[in-house]
Amino acid sequence: EADIYQTPRYLVIGTGKKITLECSQTMGHDKMYWYQQDPGMELHLIHYSYGVNSTEKGDLSSESTVSRIRTEHFPLTLESARPSHTSQYLCASSEGRGGTQYFGPGTRLTVL
Amino acid sequence: GENVEQHPSTLSVQEGDSAVIKCTYSDSASNYFPWYKQELGKGPQLIIDIRSNVGEKKDQRIAVTLNKTAKHFSLHITETQPEDSAVYFCAASKAGVPSGGYNKLIFGAGTRLAVHP
Repeated sequence: EADIYQTPRYLVIGTGKKITLECSQTMGHDKMYWYQQDPGMELHLIHYSYGVNSTEKGDLSSESTVSRIRTEHFPLTLESARPSHTSQYLCASSEGRGGTQYFGPGTRLTVL
Repeated sequence: GENVEQHPSTLSVQEGDSAVIKCTYSDSASNYFPWYKQELGKGPQLIIDIRSNVGEKKDQRIAVTLNKTAKHFSLHITETQPEDSAVYFCAASKAGVPSGGYNKLIFGAGTRLAVHP
């Protein structure tokens, strides 16, 4: 069982608001990821991090930003939410070069 | 670029039947192939994985087979139960490749499995 947590689980917010989605893992994994997924659909990588102070853009362009100040914490921020940002956001982590990624439960974001 | 194709997109079976989901990958250097199960409202959960040095792996009712020559791998679920109903994703990556520390997973588009009692 992977120990990776995401808060909030559900968020409904108005257009123009700034939001931060939290992701934390207690496994000491060096790599962390953010995916965007419409319900039951394909996963799209939007950000990843090799370790502290390392962040990279993923395959899908996103207006969100991320930071990695601590190993266990990888928050995602949207400065000004729009309806097009409505989606599920999944955080994951992995260790070393093993390849296995463990996912959190996700945050379902709805922007009105 | 790297690509993983997954079939079928939907699969409906009767309880007790077997279900098979197939994936094909494009990058011959891929060496790690996990399968994830995603239930409604939850994150994907790893159910089984296989590395390129083996051809088959089994865990109770679930098995995965790998054909490196043909570049495809399959998930087999036997004696299906209603709780197996979910979306299943295959993925491929080049784990441990020295060129970078990023274990990029290339996901298939998913298969929605429905098991009817």
